[in-house]
Amino acid sequence: DTEVTQTPKHLVMGMTNKKSLKCEQHMGHRAMYWYKQKAKKPPELMFVYSYEKLSINESVPSRFSPECPNSSLLNLHLHALQPEDSALYLCASSQDLIRSNQPQHFGDGTRLSIL
Amino acid sequence: EDKVVQSPLSLVVHEGDTVTLNCSYEVTNFRSLLWYKQEKKAPTFLFMLTSSGIEKKSGRLSSILDKKELFSILNITATQTGDSAIYLCAVSGWGSQGNLIFGKGTKLSVKP
Repeated sequence: DTEVTQTPKHLVMGMTNKKSLKCEQHMGHRAMYWYKQKAKKPPELMFVYSYEKLSINESVPSRFSPECPNSSLLNLHLHALQPEDSALYLCASSQDLIRSNQPQHFGDGTRLSIL
Repeated sequence: EDKVVQSPLSLVVHEGDTVTLNCSYEVTNFRSLLWYKQEKKAPTFLFMLTSSGIEKKSGRLSSILDKKELFSILNITATQTGDSAIYLCAVSGWGSQGNLIFGKGTKLSVKP
């Protein structure tokens, strides 16, 4: 088990549904990330939050909407997804973006299937 | 453009063998190079390298960075079936806001 907790572990949803992925860490990290990983491919960065503010949005479609309600939580709201959005969604956190050079630690991911 | 190239892409060995995985990179304002092990779920952090020539070691795994030649190697000695996984190399640059550039990974299979 990792120190970054993601829920749910699996999610199946239709293209008209609205759902949310959740990520939580209690390591006092101030940088949090969402990645998308397709089968047999490396993770691809989607969003970066630093001190609860959106720092990077890697040209992600608006059907993905991130939210960072506090320093421990990171959500990814999903709406009107497409079948090609089926993937493993990974959350990661690190101590800080700027001042410290520390590794990112990943959660176990949410495996998302769009019907 | 920042990029990371790992080789080989896949490798099959027998238990007890020693393996060397390679990672070459190009990144603006190099900050760090990281190795992760990914089995079925989360990439698990192995090493972070920032300085050339200093070997990092954890049990049977070790890694070293060459910032002049822009590459790193990950060594695994006395391999075990539990070492079977995809090994990901990633780099970050200062000013990249934490963006990790991942290689495609090396899939290691250790046969009994």
